[in-house]
Amino acid sequence: SQTIHQWPATLVQPVGSPLSLECTVEGTSNPNLYWYRQAAGRGLQLLFYSVGIGQISSEVPQNLSASRPQDRQFILSSKKLLLSDSGFYLCAWRGGREQFFGPGTRLTVL
Amino acid sequence: QKEVEQNSGPLSVPEGAIASLNCTYSDRGSQSFFWYRQYSGKSPELIMSIYSNGDKEDGRFTAQLNKASQYVSLLIRDSQPSDSATYLCAVNIGGAGSYQLTFGKGTKLSVIP
Repeated sequence: SQTIHQWPATLVQPVGSPLSLECTVEGTSNPNLYWYRQAAGRGLQLLFYSVGIGQISSEVPQNLSASRPQDRQFILSSKKLLLSDSGFYLCAWRGGREQFFGPGTRLTVL
Repeated sequence: QKEVEQNSGPLSVPEGAIASLNCTYSDRGSQSFFWYRQYSGKSPELIMSIYSNGDKEDGRFTAQLNKASQYVSLLIRDSQPSDSATYLCAVNIGGAGSYQLTFGKGTKLSVIP
């Protein structure tokens, strides 16, 4: 069966610091992978998606970036965090038409 | 801008009652519709998917789709306190060949014992 992991689970970072969030998927090959952000009082916002190694599509222009160095690994990064980057970051993979979420990383930028 | 609209709630129902959650969407080309349940502090969990007009039942859950009215709903029969959560409606955008999802902001459901 497929499993999706995210780490860290929680993170508190100062403004201006870098960020690296990791997502890995087990039990499937060449999955479509997605990064979403859920901010307080707002819906799920798609940030990036990837259909394969090195292939990244950005949905929202911002100070975040994504990379897919391996088939089942998806990384979300930032060089300098903003206060507005606080939120719940969710990685998802697609199986058929459905998307399944990982446990998420809760990021607080102070 | 493709949109998915849900009443934010909270929707309160007594234990054992039927909870009815509604969602409307703007993209007439949408072909795939999903309901996710999200407990406080947790990630969303897929509970129902529906692709054709009509009803789809899974245990206590029934999803209903009306593409002509651009409306999808979720019924929860015999509601339990453990059903208390936020329910997210998600719809694919960009037509039948697209797997991008747009999410509503969610409806918070409280089941009162």
